[in-house]
Amino acid sequence: EIVLTQSPGTLSLSPGERATLSCRASQSFNINSLAWYQQKPGQAPRLLIYAASSRATGIPDRFSGSGSGTDFTLTISRLEPEDFAVYYCQQYGSSPPSWTFGQGTKVEIK
Amino acid sequence: EVQLLESGGGLVQPGGSLRLSCAASGFTFNSYSMSWVRQAPGKGLEWVSTISSSGGGTYYADSVKGRFTISRDNSKNTLSLQMNSLRAEDTALYYCARIHYGSGGTFDIWGQGTLVTVSS
Repeated sequence: EIVLTQSPGTLSLSPGERATLSCRASQSFNINSLAWYQQKPGQAPRLLIYAASSRATGIPDRFSGSGSGTDFTLTISRLEPEDFAVYYCQQYGSSPPSWTFGQGTKVEIK
Repeated sequence: EVQLLESGGGLVQPGGSLRLSCAASGFTFNSYSMSWVRQAPGKGLEWVSTISSSGGGTYYADSVKGRFTISRDNSKNTLSLQMNSLRAEDTALYYCARIHYGSGGTFDIWGQGTLVTVSS
């Protein structure tokens, strides 16, 4: 079973700043199965990035994903007020099918 | 509009049972695998179970295996989760989510969740 570890736990930044979130896996896997989600208080998660670097429909281009092997990164180039939320990485394993989430990174207003 | 609407949550005693439902609309339900994902209060996301588009394949997290059963009725566009032998640690908001294998097994559509509280 792959374990995903996100860091930092909390990121305190100001609007307009750049946010860099990390997701590290306990073993290497296919980058096509790495995704990122955003969750705001009282809302369901929303898919942001799939296949490590592809933006989901309607996601602004200030969100970008990168990485390979065991290290993946979500970058928000310039934080907008609506970007302050919790972000989760997620991995899909196919044999047998299973889904794993990281523990989340909270991006809060400094 | 693509939509998932969960129902069936509530307060149940430890050892009890509960059945959750998820009504899907706005897409071809029988073309998609579906899942349940839960979130304990103040905690992160945890995958619970997945069912294939036909219902022929079911998969469970170790934490619920043998206690929970996922099913679907494609004629009614409905997903269900039968939860037995409930424990305090099953207390969570349970989300119904659609799986999109074309984007690497992501959960591309989510419901708003139904709250399950296991307490005496």
